[in-house]
Amino acid sequence: DQQVKQNSPSLSVQEGRISILNCDYTNSMFDYFLWYKKYPAEGPTFLISISSIKDKNEDGRFTVFLNKSAKHLSLHIVPSQPGDSAVYFCAASAYNTNAGKSTFGDGTTLTVKP
Amino acid sequence: NAGVTQTPKFRILKIGQSMTLQCTQDMNHNYMYWYRQDPGMGLKLIYYSVGAGITDKGEVPNGYNVSRSTTEDFPLRLELAAPSQTSVYFCASSSGAQTQYFGPGTRLLVL
Repeated sequence: DQQVKQNSPSLSVQEGRISILNCDYTNSMFDYFLWYKKYPAEGPTFLISISSIKDKNEDGRFTVFLNKSAKHLSLHIVPSQPGDSAVYFCAASAYNTNAGKSTFGDGTTLTVKP
Repeated sequence: NAGVTQTPKFRILKIGQSMTLQCTQDMNHNYMYWYRQDPGMGLKLIYYSVGAGITDKGEVPNGYNVSRSTTEDFPLRLELAAPSQTSVYFCASSSGAQTQYFGPGTRLLVL
């Protein structure tokens, strides 16, 4: 049973437009959510996170929205740039209860076309 | 500050061979993790450690072993390589504040 799901394996957007990546989770114990970005032949790097006490967190062009009742979060990238083309992983954890372990989704490959 | 380093970058093993994937971090993080990533899939946790001398199984531990004798090093051992262990392996570390820092990965091919 996959606890963190990214239902769109891929997404293609035009440069300058908005990219919206979605993530759903099933475990109500999750209270901290992270997005990681991964380029080919590199390890994932942390992008942005959100605690369950918030419903939005913004960092420059990146905004994460959390809808706890729907167990859904999304990552918005505005404006999208070709350098944003990468695989994006959603991750969820139960803060301070499980050795910092995160459960990862399968990733969404974002392609930003010039 | 190199962060998390992994060696080797790439390795081909024959079925039944063994090897150790090395992982070192220089951030003085207590928590360390080993993941595998199969094509088109997410990261599956193999083993993790909350400090030197303490390790525990993750989601997919079968066929692997780990040790944590120092804060810096967290090697992953494959004893009898099988084709199902063909994957990309990532090591990560964390201060415990949820954000994990990943190494560049080791690509392993078992033939």
